[in-house]
Amino acid sequence: GQQVMQIPQYQHVQEGEDFTTYCNSSTTLSNIQWYKQRPGGHPVFLIQLVKSGEVKKQKRLTFQFGEAKKNSSLHITATQTTDVGTYFCAGDQTGANNLFFGTGTRLTVIP
Amino acid sequence: ETGVTQTPRHLVMGMTNKKSLKCEQHLGHNAMYWYKQSAKKPLELMFVYNFKEQTENNSVPSRFSPECPNSSHLFLHLHTLQPEDSALYLCASSHAGTGGAYEQYFGPGTRLTVT
Repeated sequence: GQQVMQIPQYQHVQEGEDFTTYCNSSTTLSNIQWYKQRPGGHPVFLIQLVKSGEVKKQKRLTFQFGEAKKNSSLHITATQTTDVGTYFCAGDQTGANNLFFGTGTRLTVIP
Repeated sequence: ETGVTQTPRHLVMGMTNKKSLKCEQHLGHNAMYWYKQSAKKPLELMFVYNFKEQTENNSVPSRFSPECPNSSHLFLHLHTLQPEDSALYLCASSHAGTGGAYEQYFGPGTRLTVT
């Protein structure tokens, strides 16, 4: 079955440092989505990538979809305490919007 | 955010009880989803409904029974659960259709504890 792995599982950074989480799928993806879940909250959609090699930016966040459409990354520049939470990638293999979520990376930002 | 609501927010039930989780979306979507989120596993897709029809059952045990009476409401009926079923159950909704991907909007979840 489809598997989506993320690394690292946990990341502690000092406020102001950069952060990157990586997402790898065992199969080629139709698209990939990224979600953020704050502690005690529910996943909230951040962005969707569809095209091979696509790069999108949202303020301090940069999202990238690999050329083979099997991996993706999220990079946060100069982290802030508001960035705390778990970041999930979610892959859609068939285009039917059945998402397989990655294992998540829990980010802690130390003030 | 009140786009997707879930009730109850917390539920404690014994293994012999029968209970139901309710989800309602006010976003005009035609696809609804049930996910299970437990501490040691990634978010697991359980069921998918598109236009009230079940299109995905991700090998979920029969003690979980979904129901989708219309595009705005989704239920998860629970009976004879096991302690390992304790988890956060999340409902989500999105636009529906194949050949494309749509962002999913999640409800706040029901924290279920099976004793």
